[in-house]
Amino acid sequence: DIQMTQSPASLSASLGETVSIECLASEDIYNNLAWYQQKPGKSPQLLIYYASSLQDGVPSRFSGSGSGTQYSLKINSLESEDAATYFCLQDSEYPYTFGAGTKLELK
Amino acid sequence: QVQLQQSGAELAKPGSSVKISCKASGYTFTSYYISWIKQTTGQGLEYIGYINTGSGGTNYNEKFKGKATLTVDKSSSTAFMQLSSLTPDDSAVYYCAREGTTVDYWGQGVMVTVSS
Repeated sequence: DIQMTQSPASLSASLGETVSIECLASEDIYNNLAWYQQKPGKSPQLLIYYASSLQDGVPSRFSGSGSGTQYSLKINSLESEDAATYFCLQDSEYPYTFGAGTKLELK
Repeated sequence: QVQLQQSGAELAKPGSSVKISCKASGYTFTSYYISWIKQTTGQGLEYIGYINTGSGGTNYNEKFKGKATLTVDKSSSTAFMQLSSLTPDDSAVYYCAREGTTVDYWGQGVMVTVSS
């Protein structure tokens, strides 16, 4: 199975700041990488697919980049509603595998 | 709008089985797979497998073979997952999700608690 190593595990940032979250795959996943946001008690919401494509309705302050084995999610101009856990999913090869998640706290 | 409505929370005894449902609406059911995903605090998110809603074909994560059985009822646009021989390690939130080019829409999740 492809291993997804996500970092950092947690992050604290202020409103208006920019943050980045990384996912490292154990092998090339050919941009088949999605990012999700999950708030407590809620189901995950798709933010980015195919590494850099923004899902409909997702604010443009979210962006994804990367290739090969290294991918990142960037959130610009943090807003209070961005406090959540973020995780990546590789959908290049079955079984799909997830990163362990990054908990973003707003100061 | 796309919706996946899952059945309610389950409290089950060790050794028993549960069957969770996932009713889809707002799109052509047979045009997308339904995937199932397990979430726990300790293990995070784990992909259980998917069912091809058109053919009924399935693909299971090796880890969940023998544990999960995926089925579908096209007439009601509903997918099901049965979990068998339950142990406390099966206690988790289980999600169904729509899978096309990626896993996009998720159900609200079902909490399964296994306890004697």
